[in-house]
Parts: sequence; structure tokens; C-alpha cells
Amino acid sequence: GENVEQHPSTLSVQEGDSAVIKCTYSDSASNYFPWYKQELGKRPQLIIDIRSNVGEKKDQRIAVTLNKTAKHFSLHITETQPEDSAVYFCAAIPPATDSWGKFQFGAGTQVVVTP
Amino acid sequence: DGGITQSPKYLFRKEGQNVTLSCEQNLNHDAMYWYRQDPGQGLRLIYYSQIVNDFQKGDIAEGYSVSREKKESFPLTVTSAQKNPTAFYLCASTPKLQGGEQYFGPGTRLTVT
Repeated sequence: GENVEQHPSTLSVQEGDSAVIKCTYSDSASNYFPWYKQELGKRPQLIIDIRSNVGEKKDQRIAVTLNKTAKHFSLHITETQPEDSAVYFCAAIPPATDSWGKFQFGAGTQVVVTP
Repeated sequence: DGGITQSPKYLFRKEGQNVTLSCEQNLNHDAMYWYRQDPGQGLRLIYYSQIVNDFQKGDIAEGYSVSREKKESFPLTVTSAQKNPTAFYLCASTPKLQGGEQYFGPGTRLTVT
């Protein structure tokens, strides 16, 4: 099955600086890579995703890059703000076949943005 | 936020009691999931179901049970066999044909004393 590793586990940045979180995956068949943001006590919410036919996707201050050959993908947050403080999870999802049901999330990265 | 609901938001039980957590979705999603989250930890899969009347164990199924009698509902029972049941429980659903994105419920915080 799929195995996803996420680094770092914690990340402290000064407001205005950039933050980068990296994930690696093991199943080369995985073709969908979402990123979730979870604020304290709240549900995880999708912030950006990328499919394997795309190398990069950007949405305002956040972007995701995918390297299929190396089997890793990264979340980039630019011009960080205090409201970016949260736990971020990555995931790697296989195609919608019989084995698709069991998703694998990374362990999460606690991002702290200090003013 | 709408579409997938969990109740109650907070639940308190005495040790030795079974407790059932509710999860309902009106998104017409095929698949539903239960995750457990402990403080400072990631999402650990308890059970998942791809279709009505069928479900599979996740990584930490021991001490838990589920049912999927209706497409919209996927209740989770935390039994007395679960050694450390106090945690934050998240339910999620996914539209199979679209693949991928999981929609999460607001969660239930269970405290067992």
C-alpha cells in the first residue's frame, strides 16, 4: 500500500517569510495529491490539490509542486501571515480502482507564524 | 461546511460503556471513513466503507465497530474493548467517481473517564 512521509513535523517562520512542507510517497500509481489545513479543534479543509498530469499549481499565496519521477510533492506558502498557523496534512491517493478506498495521509506539519 | 455532519460535538462516557458516534452525509458520496486524531498527532484510519453493507478495517480497528446500512450514514461504535478511547474522531466522505478529495465532518471529541 501507499506510504506517505511528511517533513518537517514543526515549522516556525516569521510573518512575511515563506514556508515549505515536503511529502514523499511510495506508490507510483498515486495520481492525486491534496493538501489539508487543520486549525486547532477544527476539521481538516482542503486548501489545494494537484493531479499527476500537472507539475505545479498555484492559488494566491499557496502553491504545490509535484515531481513524479522522484515521487515527492511540496506545499509552498509565501508571505506568511498569522492566520496561516495550523497543522497541514498531505495525502497521496491512488486511482479509483478497487483498492482506492484506503487513503494515506502524512503525519502533519505544525506551522507557527510569529508576528 | 454543510453536507457532512457529526453528532454530538462533545461526548463524555464512563469507562466500560459502549458509545456510538453519528456521521451523516447528504452529498451522495459513495465512500465514508472514520479517523482518530490524538493531540499533536496525524489522522489514523479506523474503518472505511466504499459501498452500502460493506466496510473494511483501517490501521487501528481494534475496539471499534461500524455499520453501513444506508449510503448516508456510517456510525462508529467505540466499545469497552478500546483501551484508550479518549480522542477526537473525524468522519469523512468521498465521491468515488471523482476520486480523491475527502470532505470532513466537524468531529466529535470523546472523553472517557
